[in-house]
Amino acid sequence: SQKIEQNSEALNIQEGKTATLTCNYTNYSPAYLQWYRQDPGRGPVFLLLIRENEKEKRKERLKVTFDTTLKQSLFHITASQPADSATYLCALPTRYGNKLVFGAGTILRVKS
Amino acid sequence: DVKVTQSSRYLVKRTGEKVFLECVQDMDHENMFWYRQDPGLGLRLIYFSYDVKMKEKGDIPEGYSVSREKKERFSLILESASTNQTSMYLCASGTVREQYFGPGTRLTVT
Repeated sequence: SQKIEQNSEALNIQEGKTATLTCNYTNYSPAYLQWYRQDPGRGPVFLLLIRENEKEKRKERLKVTFDTTLKQSLFHITASQPADSATYLCALPTRYGNKLVFGAGTILRVKS
Repeated sequence: DVKVTQSSRYLVKRTGEKVFLECVQDMDHENMFWYRQDPGLGLRLIYFSYDVKMKEKGDIPEGYSVSREKKERFSLILESASTNQTSMYLCASGTVREQYFGPGTRLTVT
């Protein structure tokens, strides 16, 4: 079954810097991959979906890359702000595409 | 705005009690999902439903059942609550390409 690895250690960065979070998967390459944001005590919120043939996708200060050779997605937040502090989850569909598998998430802390 | 609501934010139950967690969505989605979230383990799928009265087991269905009598409502049932079911329970609706989550129910079983 698919396994997703996200850095379990929190990422602490200074305001204004670029935060880069990593999502690695171990098995088959999915047709797409998603990123969600989760604030403490709340449900995840969908941010972006990137397809396997897209390589890179941007939305405002967010940029996601998808490298099927490395089996890795990188999630960048440029000009980070304290309000970006949250847990970021990556998710991808199962082989048959009817369910999502989520990573455990990486905590991002942006300090002013 | 898509809205997924859950019946309780916090719930404390005793071992052996029957527990009902309710979820309602207002977007006419066919698919609804129940997850539990535990530190270090991420979200794990318990059950999902792709239509009224239809359900499929997720990765960890043991000790749980579900009910979907109406399209907008998906209930998770703990037949006999146990302490290892203490967790955050999250309901979602949507598709595998984009899911909308409720605020979660933090359930404590003592």
